[in-house]
Amino acid sequence: AQSVAQPEDQVNVAEGNPLTVKCTYSVSGNPYLFWYVQYPNRGLQFLLKYITGDNLVKGSYGFEAEFNKSQTSFHLKKPSALVSDSALYFCAVRDPLTGANNLFFGTGTRLTVIP
Amino acid sequence: DGGITQSPKYLFRKEGQNVTLSCEQNLNHDAMYWYRQDPGQGLRLIYYSQIVNDFQKGDIAEGYSVSREKKESFPLTVTSAQKNPTAFYLCASTLSDRGYRDEQFFGPGTRLTVL
Repeated sequence: AQSVAQPEDQVNVAEGNPLTVKCTYSVSGNPYLFWYVQYPNRGLQFLLKYITGDNLVKGSYGFEAEFNKSQTSFHLKKPSALVSDSALYFCAVRDPLTGANNLFFGTGTRLTVIP
Repeated sequence: DGGITQSPKYLFRKEGQNVTLSCEQNLNHDAMYWYRQDPGQGLRLIYYSQIVNDFQKGDIAEGYSVSREKKESFPLTVTSAQKNPTAFYLCASTLSDRGYRDEQFFGPGTRLTVL
């Protein structure tokens, strides 16, 4: 069975400081991993994905994520946080071995960037 | 502009009524999905459709129904059998049902409230 865990419901960071939003996963095969962001009362926006290759993935709005197979993690990072980064962030995983194209989502982490 | 539209943005329903949420996409995507979002629970899959005239139940299909008569449209009906329908509903699509590397594109969502 596939699953995703986002251990922190809330992350607070000062503007200009680096931010990290944590994600760990469990799949039976090689994972395809995704990060999405959601602003209030809006749909999800795609940030980045890991499929294969370089473990460090760069995405939209200056975000990046590092795939760590041994720790089964895919943490989202940004070197310098902006107040506008405040939003709800979701990690998601897809296991192609299941034969399905469905995404399994974590419960989300609310990021607040303090001015 | 290509994208996914959902209507209405807000919907109020009396107990015992069926309501239908609209989802339309002009991305020429084959696969479409319906998710339900509740606070602290992330997104849960209700139904998905890989191709016209075909759809499968997701994790929480009870009390919901769908149709896929056209490639562009994937309406969701919330029936009176759904015990707790108040939630934020998100529609998504991907280019192909076998596009495991592809991210899902999301609509802006419909917030359903049962009075």
